[in-house]
Amino acid sequence: AQSVSQHNHHVILSEAASLELGCNYSYGGTVNLFWYVQYPGQHLQLLLKYFSGDPLVKGIKGFEAEFIKSKFSFNLRKPSVQWSDTAEYFCAVTAWGAAGNKLTFGGGTRVLVKP
Amino acid sequence: EAGVTQFPSHSVIEKGQTVTLRCDPISGHDNLYWYRRVMGKEIKFLLHFVKESKQDESGMPNNRFLAERTGGTYSTLKVQPAELEDSGVYFCASSPRSQTDPSANTGELFFGEGSRLTVL
Repeated sequence: AQSVSQHNHHVILSEAASLELGCNYSYGGTVNLFWYVQYPGQHLQLLLKYFSGDPLVKGIKGFEAEFIKSKFSFNLRKPSVQWSDTAEYFCAVTAWGAAGNKLTFGGGTRVLVKP
Repeated sequence: EAGVTQFPSHSVIEKGQTVTLRCDPISGHDNLYWYRRVMGKEIKFLLHFVKESKQDESGMPNNRFLAERTGGTYSTLKVQPAELEDSGVYFCASSPRSQTDPSANTGELFFGEGSRLTVL
């Protein structure tokens, strides 16, 4: 069975600071990796995903994530955050080639960006 | 294009009562999923429909939960009778069927805003 661990439950930082959210997964096979975000009062939406190829993937709103297979990690980064990045961020995985999109989520990280 | 819509947005019921949550997926999406997040914990998979068929219901907690998707369009999730531990946010998501490989993982799920259930 897959599992996902997000290192921080809450992160508070100021605008223009850099953000890095940790994500580690546990699964014996090949995985697809995702970061979803939920802004206050909105639905979950996809930030970025990794299926194969370049392990550094770029998503929307200036976010990027790096897949390090040897560390089973898929950390999310943004060099300079804005107040509008205040949200809850979820790392998720699914087994490669699995029928459908049965995502296994991490516990989420609430990010508060102070203006 | 309308997104995934869920109703109600919030429901407060007493233990032992019945609640039915509804999800309207994005038009044309064959895949429909239910997920649940209890008390700020992980979002957990409940079940997956492909059209009207249950593809995977391994995440359903017990037989008090019944999901249907008659006609392969909208879906309902009924909890009967509700218990205190059923409180949480129930998310619905949909995704299109892969055009090239029906069994391929196409990646993105499109989520609704969730239905918050509070059982007193």
